[in-house]
Amino acid sequence: AQSVAQPEDQVNVAEGNPLTVKCTYSVSGNPYLFWYVQYPNRGLQFLLKYITGDNLVKGSYGFEAEFNKSQTSFHLKKPSALVSDSALYFCAVRDTLDTGRRALTFGSGTRLQVQP
Amino acid sequence: DGGITQSPKYLFRKEGQNVTLSCEQNLNHDAMYWYRQDPGQGLRLIYYSQIVNDFQKGDIAEGYSVSREKKESFPLTVTSAQKNPTAFYLCASSTAGLATHEQYFGPGTRLTVT
Repeated sequence: AQSVAQPEDQVNVAEGNPLTVKCTYSVSGNPYLFWYVQYPNRGLQFLLKYITGDNLVKGSYGFEAEFNKSQTSFHLKKPSALVSDSALYFCAVRDTLDTGRRALTFGSGTRLQVQP
Repeated sequence: DGGITQSPKYLFRKEGQNVTLSCEQNLNHDAMYWYRQDPGQGLRLIYYSQIVNDFQKGDIAEGYSVSREKKESFPLTVTSAQKNPTAFYLCASSTAGLATHEQYFGPGTRLTVT
């Protein structure tokens, strides 16, 4: 079984400060990991993914995420937050052993609020 | 433009009525998915289809039905048997196969049943 936990319902950060949105996962095999962003009443937009290789993954809009296998984490980061980054962020996982369903399991989401 | 379209954006229905949500993609993706989003619960998988004429139940399929007669289309019917149908519904698609690919999402349909 695969699962994702986003321990913070909301993260508040001042504009210009670094931001981190946390994600931990559980899989039986190895993980494929994804981050998505959702603006109000919109669909999800893909930000970045980790499949294999470098633990630091760079994505859209200046976001990056660090894969840590020993801590089963995939935290989303950005060096300098913008007010326009305020949105709902979802972490998702797929287990490499899942050769049947091949669907993503999503976390419950973290609302990022960037104050001017 | 390539992408996924969902219609309508907002849908209102009376309790006891079936309603069908449309999802169309022109990305030539084999796999399509339906998710339900409720506040504080993230996305939950309703149904998915890896290929035309085949679909599988997800985690919360009760009260829903789908069809996949064409590669481009994956409509979702919310039946009167669904106990709490008011939610935001998201359709997604991706390339199929063992190599993983990100899913692309449509803009969503907000269904309100009264």
